Amino acid sequence: NAGVTQTPKFRVLKTGQSMTLLCAQDMNHEYMYWYRQDPGMGLRLIHYSVGEGTTAKGEVPDGYNVSRLKKQNFLLGLESAAPSQTSVYFCASSPSKAERAPRETQYFGPGTRLLVL
Amino acid sequence: GENVEQHPSTLSVQEGDSAVIKCTYSDSASNYFPWYKQELGKRPQLIIDIRSNVGEKKDQRIAVTLNKTAKHFSLHITETQPEDSAVYFCAASKGSGGYNKLIFGAGTRLAVHP
Repeated sequence: NAGVTQTPKFRVLKTGQSMTLLCAQDMNHEYMYWYRQDPGMGLRLIHYSVGEGTTAKGEVPDGYNVSRLKKQNFLLGLESAAPSQTSVYFCASSPSKAERAPRETQYFGPGTRLLVL
Repeated sequence: GENVEQHPSTLSVQEGDSAVIKCTYSDSASNYFPWYKQELGKRPQLIIDIRSNVGEKKDQRIAVTLNKTAKHFSLHITETQPEDSAVYFCAASKGSGGYNKLIFGAGTRLAVHP
């Protein structure tokens, strides 16, 4: 049981390039989230999904797109990367009902460090 | 929308002392308040949480208190150890139906000195 995994771990992009970050979870969780973490600003929600085929905007969605074609995967896309998108990106998932932990518990992936030059 | 403020931004204590981190939230409808610990280069991990119908919750050396009237909640760590050194984040949400739009505080960097 790997939990939440993210690919890649680290990436350097040039301004204007595009890329996709992959998040996968093997816990059969309904809900998935993408956050960005910047120094002194905590974690901010970019987009989230309440189920396969559905996505919604979070606090800071501009410049990002997402897709949830399969329940276990949540993709975050940057169509035209900008230096302001340099950050550490975390994916998280949570179950639809209480398990050993409360259903609100979010389980985080290891993060993707992105540098946009 | 919800806003969560967290203080202090850095905290330095001697091993064995207690540490307290405080958070305030703005939306009185928020009903779930987790605390996450993030070690350097690692992912955030839930260490304790509290719901709005409870005033205090303890788990060994850590405890969380909630004051709904004042809209603030605090993390208390007793008998601190060097392995408690990390960044701690509070969060608040009013999620219903299970999914959760967590709004995080900016974090507190705790350093425990031997």
